[in-house]
Amino acid sequence: KQEVTQIPAALSVPEGENLVLNCSFTDSAIYNLQWFRQDPGKGLTSLLLIQSSQREQTSGRLNASLDKSSGRSTLYIAASQPGDSATYLCAVRPATGRRALTFGSGTRLQVQP
Amino acid sequence: SQTIHQWPATLVQPVGSPLSLECTVEGTSNPNLYWYRQAAGRGLQLLFYSVGIGQISSEVPQNLSASRPQDRQFILSSKKLLLSDSGFYLCAWGPGFQETQYFGPGTRLLVL
Repeated sequence: KQEVTQIPAALSVPEGENLVLNCSFTDSAIYNLQWFRQDPGKGLTSLLLIQSSQREQTSGRLNASLDKSSGRSTLYIAASQPGDSATYLCAVRPATGRRALTFGSGTRLQVQP
Repeated sequence: SQTIHQWPATLVQPVGSPLSLECTVEGTSNPNLYWYRQAAGRGLQLLFYSVGIGQISSEVPQNLSASRPQDRQFILSSKKLLLSDSGFYLCAWGPGFQETQYFGPGTRLLVL
């Protein structure tokens, strides 16, 4: 059974810092991995999707990497801003079967102005 | 463009009462539809998904049920709510299993 772990559970940084959020998964047989953002009491917004054949994806100040063999992904946020404060969720889709997403429990990020 | 709606936004219900949460999608056809629950401090748990009208797959045993009476309508129901049903319920749609999923705004359910 796939398990997704996100470390740290919570993170508080001053504005302007570069930061890294970590995601690990136990079964490397994945189809793709996604990073989502969730604001308090809101739904999820997709940030980046990395296919299993890819190593990284970039969107603006966000860069996500994938090392499928070791079961790891990182989300790098450059020059953090207070507006980046949210919970960041990692989710993996299995390579076979029903391909339902398995989510981590998230990293709650607070960027201090 | 596609949009996804959920209602109600917030619901407070007594234990043993029925439940009906509705999700509708606009701007697409034949989407895959999903119901997730997010308990406090925990990740999202997939409850049900549907690949077409009347086709429902359940991921976890529980006292909830789902129905898809129309192509872009997905309903989550219960005949008798339990305290443990409290949580944040999210509906999502996706064009296929390979692509990303798009989430609705969620319904916060509190069972007292």
